[in-house]
Amino acid sequence: KQEVTQIPAALSVPEGENLVLNCSFTDSAIYNLQWFRQDPGKGLTSLLLIQSSQREQTSGRLNASLDKSSGRSTLYIAASQPGDSATYLCAVWGAQKLVFGQGTRLTINP
Amino acid sequence: SQTIHQWPATLVQPVGSPLSLECTVEGTSNPNLYWYRQAAGRGLQLLFYSVGIGQISSEVPQNLSASRPQDRQFILSSKKLLLSDSGFYLCAWSGDRSRSSYEQYFGPGTRLTVT
Repeated sequence: KQEVTQIPAALSVPEGENLVLNCSFTDSAIYNLQWFRQDPGKGLTSLLLIQSSQREQTSGRLNASLDKSSGRSTLYIAASQPGDSATYLCAVWGAQKLVFGQGTRLTINP
Repeated sequence: SQTIHQWPATLVQPVGSPLSLECTVEGTSNPNLYWYRQAAGRGLQLLFYSVGIGQISSEVPQNLSASRPQDRQFILSSKKLLLSDSGFYLCAWSGDRSRSSYEQYFGPGTRLTVT
């Protein structure tokens, strides 16, 4: 059974810092990996999708990496801003469905 | 472009009452459709998914059911709500079956409070 773990559960940093969110999964036989953002009381917004054959994806200040062999992914946020404050969720695709981590609640302090 | 709609946005229902939440997707065909629940302080729990009209897979035994009467419509129902059914319900879709990326997109959610 696939299990996804995100560390840390919460993170608070001052504005302008670069930061890394971690995601690990137990079964390396994944189809792809997806990072989401969730604002309080809102649905999930897809940030980045990394296919199993890829090593990383970039979108603006965000960069996600994937190491299938070690069962790890990282989300790198450059030059953090208060608007980046949200919960970030990692999810891996198995057969027909996503398995989610518990998320990292990120707070960027002005 | 594709959009996903859910309604209602907020719902307060008494214990024992019925439930019907609706989700529709626009701008795509043959999507895979999903219902999730997010309880307070807990992660996302997959409830049902569907790969086609009338095809429903249940992930968790419970008093909820799902139906897919049309290609882009997904309905979550209950005959009698329990207090434990309270939560944030999210509908999602992934790329149609002819594509391989399976990127998943979520709707705005329905906040259900059972009193």
